[in-house]
Amino acid sequence: AQTVTQSQPEMSVQEAETVTLSCTYDTSENNYYLFWYKQPPSRQMILVIRQEAYKQQNATENRFSVNFQKAAKSFSLKISDSQLGDTAMYFCAFMKRPGGGNEKLTFGTGTRLTIIP
Amino acid sequence: SQTIHQWPATLVQPVGSPLSLECTVEGTSNPNLYWYRQAAGRGLQLLFYSVGIGQISSEVPQNLSASRPQDRQFILSSKKLLLSDSGFYLCAAGGNQPQHFGDGTRLSIL
Repeated sequence: AQTVTQSQPEMSVQEAETVTLSCTYDTSENNYYLFWYKQPPSRQMILVIRQEAYKQQNATENRFSVNFQKAAKSFSLKISDSQLGDTAMYFCAFMKRPGGGNEKLTFGTGTRLTIIP
Repeated sequence: SQTIHQWPATLVQPVGSPLSLECTVEGTSNPNLYWYRQAAGRGLQLLFYSVGIGQISSEVPQNLSASRPQDRQFILSSKKLLLSDSGFYLCAAGGNQPQHFGDGTRLSIL
């Protein structure tokens, strides 16, 4: 079974600064996907970024980037030039490579990020 | 693009009452569908998933059940709610990663 660990329950950073959220995972799988989801106060779950384990290049989406260390089973999220709208809970999630029709997500417990004006 | 509708947005129910939460999906066919529950301050726990009409798999033993009467409809039910059923329920659709989520239903049990 897979486990996902987020060791930072809460973080805060000044607006425009850079912040890094940590995530580690445990799996015996070799092919899988990793995701970061954002959940603002509205509670909607929004996909931020995804990484395919077989790709060595780190994924980037505008101000969001990841540092994927497969051997260390680490998947951190970096938010650059943070904005007030980035305030949210952030969840790291793991999914085995699709096959057989069941792509279950395993979530970490989340990090509550607050951007301070 | 996919759109996932959930209703109601909020629900307050007494202990022992029945429950029916509905999720419908637009913009895709034959999706894999999922029900997750999020307890206060916690991560998401997968409750059920479905790979097709009438096909339901349960992830954890519980007081709830799920059904998929149509390709893009997923229903979460209970005959008698417990206090421990309180939480935030999210429906998700996948089949080709990543999963997309609905806006959720906040369920409070009195």
